[in-house]
Amino acid sequence: ELKVEQNPLFLSMQEGKNYTIYCNYSTTSDRLYWYRQDPGKSLESLFVLLSNGAVKQEGRLMASLDTKARLSTLHITAAVHDLSATYFCAVDQTKLVFGKGTKLTVNP
Amino acid sequence: SQTIHQWPATLVQPVGSPLSLECTVEGTSNPNLYWYRQAAGRGLQLLFYSVGIGQISSEVPQNLSASRPQDRQFILSSKKLLLSDSGFYLCASDRDLDNSPLHFGNGTRLTVT
Repeated sequence: ELKVEQNPLFLSMQEGKNYTIYCNYSTTSDRLYWYRQDPGKSLESLFVLLSNGAVKQEGRLMASLDTKARLSTLHITAAVHDLSATYFCAVDQTKLVFGKGTKLTVNP
Repeated sequence: SQTIHQWPATLVQPVGSPLSLECTVEGTSNPNLYWYRQAAGRGLQLLFYSVGIGQISSEVPQNLSASRPQDRQFILSSKKLLLSDSGFYLCASDRDLDNSPLHFGNGTRLTVT
């Protein structure tokens, strides 16, 4: 059974700082997705990673995938308050399996 | 691009009452459809998925059921709600033909009292 683990589950950081969220998964897959969820809202797709070594960047967020290590990272550069949200990774193996999410709070 | 409509947005129902949540999809054909539930402060739990009309797979045993009467319509139902059914219900859609991400509806927040 595929298991997806994110860490940390909670992250409080100051504006301007850098940090990385990690997503580990237990079985082979070469499709991984990152989503963002604002409080009380639905999920918004951020990145689709489809192969080993894939790297995608959008603004202050950069996601990467290492299928051999079964690891994806979401790197935050120079955080701003607007990035405060919960971030989910999800791994595709017939069906999407989601991690528990990382609640990010960016403080001024 | 596809759009997913869910209604209602919020719902408060007493224990033991029935439930019907509807999801419709626009802008695509033959989608895979999913119902997820998110309990307060927790991750997403896949409840049902469907690859076609009348085809429903259940992921978690519970007192909920799902139906797909039309290609782009997915309904989540219960005959008698439990307190534990409270949560945020999300309908999602994707297609087998490509690696596009799941698209989510805006969700229904259900409170069972």
